[in-house]
Amino acid sequence: QVRLQESGPGLVKPSDTLSLTCTVSGFSISDGYYWGWIRQPPGRGLEWIGSMFHSGDTYYNPSLKSRLTMSVDTSKNQVSMRLTSVTAADTAMYYCGRASTGWYHAFDVWGHGTEVTVSS
Amino acid sequence: SYELTQSPSVSVALGQTATITCGGDRIGAGTVHWYQQKPGQAPSLLIYRDRYRPSGTPARFSGSTSGNTATLTLTGAQAADEADYFCQVWDNSVGFGGGTKLTVL
Repeated sequence: QVRLQESGPGLVKPSDTLSLTCTVSGFSISDGYYWGWIRQPPGRGLEWIGSMFHSGDTYYNPSLKSRLTMSVDTSKNQVSMRLTSVTAADTAMYYCGRASTGWYHAFDVWGHGTEVTVSS
Repeated sequence: SYELTQSPSVSVALGQTATITCGGDRIGAGTVHWYQQKPGQAPSLLIYRDRYRPSGTPARFSGSTSGNTATLTLTGAQAADEADYFCQVWDNSVGFGGGTKLTVL
């Protein structure tokens, strides 16, 4: 069974960098899927952050691209993201998801999410 | 990325049929996915590529696309179907609809 587990700091200060990691179990991240991040501010809808293939092929949300870096560690079976210069607008539940290349990037497996609050 | 247009809320009587629509000029053949999100839970894939159900999606859910509009149809609504529903497309970038809250009366 494929499982995704997000981990991160929970609380980040404004202007700092947010770093999150998604640990994948039950499936090798090198086996042909994209791995993405999606966030959801409290009481609001979903916002795609970016997606990355294990080879390094990356797609970023244009509105976040200047602050975003995604990376993959195949040895640890992990996907990570870094978002710089955070503000209160970055407060959200952050999910990682597996996106199929053959299903037009449908996210067929999701983690439970990790809550991030940006506050001093 | 870009947004797709969904009605904020839809109500349906128990056992009746509900339709949730998703509009956008990036909607093309085989590109729309639907997710269900219940309170306190992560979204889960409900329909992919317009009309295909992953294993685990009840047959009462169906999807279709016509022109620039995708439709999620729930035939025989149950109380357990009360949730938020989001559409998504992929065009070298992911776009999500704003979500529709389905209330089962």
